[in-house]
Amino acid sequence: EAQVTQNPRYLITVTGKKLTVTCSQNMNHEYMSWYRQDPGLGLRQIYYSMNVEVTDKGDVPEGYKVSRKEKRNFPLILESPSPNQTSLYFCASSQGTDPNQPQHFGDGTRLSIL
Amino acid sequence: KQEVTQIPAALSVPEGENLVLNCSFTDSAIYNLQWFRQDPGKGLTSLLLIQSSQREQTSGRLNASLDKSSGRSTLYIAASQPGDSATYLCAVGRVNSGYALNFGKGTSLLVTP
Repeated sequence: EAQVTQNPRYLITVTGKKLTVTCSQNMNHEYMSWYRQDPGLGLRQIYYSMNVEVTDKGDVPEGYKVSRKEKRNFPLILESPSPNQTSLYFCASSQGTDPNQPQHFGDGTRLSIL
Repeated sequence: KQEVTQIPAALSVPEGENLVLNCSFTDSAIYNLQWFRQDPGKGLTSLLLIQSSQREQTSGRLNASLDKSSGRSTLYIAASQPGDSATYLCAVGRVNSGYALNFGKGTSLLVTP
């Protein structure tokens, strides 16, 4: 089954403790992206990757890092999480060679930073 | 800066009604406009994608239209069912931004039996 898988689905942690949210897709998609969803603000893009070893900032990249060492994986790293990063996070992927390919989203990761 | 607005924010209708969800955007420099469905605890499911050169797309009971010049899109749901209850999100694909999507805040739909 074609899917985007995120782990963990839920995480409660404390300020400053480094964490990684993994994202994996099995569709051989070139393009991958991270969004965060906050009440009243909607979804906003954090980082994206057009292909392996190619990443770029989205609209709200502060406090986040990403890497794209292989095509199927695009982890989101919070080096020193803070309470304002408490949010619902989504990973997405698409074919990438054409902006008019629909994006496929994972089920989300709910992060609470205390 | 692209702003995407969805009206209404919430809608409750009895089963069987036809309904229209509205989306407006401020910058017409877009690749496409997409409608997504979001269910609680689940991710986003792509419903329809309208390319900037197109006027509408249809899938089953869903029909979406796009008027790029006026910055508007509508999602028409025919013969609504309780299973249609979800949040519907409109997103525009920005030009020259790495395929980034700008999302509206969504319309929460409840279809009652």
